[in-house]
Amino acid sequence: AQKVTQTQTSISVVEKTTVTMDCVYETRDSSYFLFWYKQTASGEIVFLIRQDSYKKENATVGHYSLNFQKPKSSIGLIITATQIEDSAVYFCAMRDFASSGSWQLIFGSGTQLTVMP
Amino acid sequence: EAAVTQSPRNKVTVTGGNVTLSCRQTNSHNYMYWYRQDTGHGLRLIHYSYGAGNLQIGDVPDGYKATRTTQEDFFLLLELASPSQTSLYFCASSERGNEQYFGPGTRLTVL
Repeated sequence: AQKVTQTQTSISVVEKTTVTMDCVYETRDSSYFLFWYKQTASGEIVFLIRQDSYKKENATVGHYSLNFQKPKSSIGLIITATQIEDSAVYFCAMRDFASSGSWQLIFGSGTQLTVMP
Repeated sequence: EAAVTQSPRNKVTVTGGNVTLSCRQTNSHNYMYWYRQDTGHGLRLIHYSYGAGNLQIGDVPDGYKATRTTQEDFFLLLELASPSQTSLYFCASSERGNEQYFGPGTRLTVL
């Protein structure tokens, strides 16, 4: 079965440092898509970044980048130069083709990131 | 301008009441989704649709109906609300099932 696992429930870092959040996935597909989302304290859920499995380059958007290790079925999110406003819950997700013949996302349980001054 | 909007943002009802949650997207996306989020359970998919008139069952559909009336509009219906349906509800849209864009959420309380 397709599955997304985030084992880190919470991480605390000092402002301006770099943090990596882990995510591992299980899939039967040879081509797949992985995503990271951020949920702020206000509840807003924002799409951050995407990795297509057939691409060898790690995706980068602003101060977010991915560490895609296909042999390990791992897609880590790296945030460089962290800021207080990066404090949020971060979700990893994978696109799944349901038996109904349509697409949905499978989400991990999330990692709470706290950035301290 | 927000591309996915939800209404109402907050709703309080009583057990057995009828509730309709509305979602509108202006992304021209074909897929729309309804989730609930509860502490300890993360995001759970209730229903989704890949076009007007289409409806797919998600992982936690019991007690919920949904209807996609147009490309833009997706509704979630609770016909006999129960306290167990107290939750934060999110709507999202996506193109071909890729990255989803979420609405601001609706907080529903069933007394």
